[in-house]
Amino acid sequence: GQNIDQPTEMTATEGAIVQINCTYQTSGFNGLFWYQQHAGEAPTFLSYNVLDGLEEKGRFSSFLSRSKGYSYLLLKELQMKDSASYLCAAKDSNYQLIWGAGTKLIIKP
Amino acid sequence: DTAVSQTPKYLVTQMGNDKSIKCEQNLGHDTMYWYKQDSKKFLKIMFSYNNKELIINETVPNRFSPKSPDKAHLNLHINSLELGDSAVYFCASSLSAGEVETQYFGPGTRLLVL
Repeated sequence: GQNIDQPTEMTATEGAIVQINCTYQTSGFNGLFWYQQHAGEAPTFLSYNVLDGLEEKGRFSSFLSRSKGYSYLLLKELQMKDSASYLCAAKDSNYQLIWGAGTKLIIKP
Repeated sequence: DTAVSQTPKYLVTQMGNDKSIKCEQNLGHDTMYWYKQDSKKFLKIMFSYNNKELIINETVPNRFSPKSPDKAHLNLHINSLELGDSAVYFCASSLSAGEVETQYFGPGTRLLVL
């Protein structure tokens, strides 16, 4: 079956760095997405990886290892507004997105 | 200048009723989706349309019927609502159904069945 695993909840301190891990098992692979979802709001796109390596976008970076079925989202210089759920999703061979349940990130002052 | 819009935002109704949720996108995208997000926060794909043609139809009760009058609209009609249908329903769109296309989500419709 197809599966996405990520931690349910993480806590970090304002100004610090946090890494959210995601492992995936899909029938075929056509890229890995990270979305941010604030409570009561819609998911919004953060990053996309299809090749191995690190993609950096400001305070956020995303890493992919296709051989390990593994990705992480790295958030630097954490701000209170980064408190949200972070959803990992992988595209399978049919280009269908398979979603994880999300990691709720709590930022403390 | 809303990209993906849904109506209504909140929907409270009785079991057994029939209701519709509307979705419109003004991004010029070819592909639209309906997702259900339950209390555990899993996003589950329900349907996907590409240029008004159904391309994904997951295992969803046939009480749920999508309708796409044109490629900018994808509506969801639900017959005989049940308690388990209570969830947040998100509409999304992407330029196409291909590999790299990012999906853009509407604000969600919070459905509560009493």
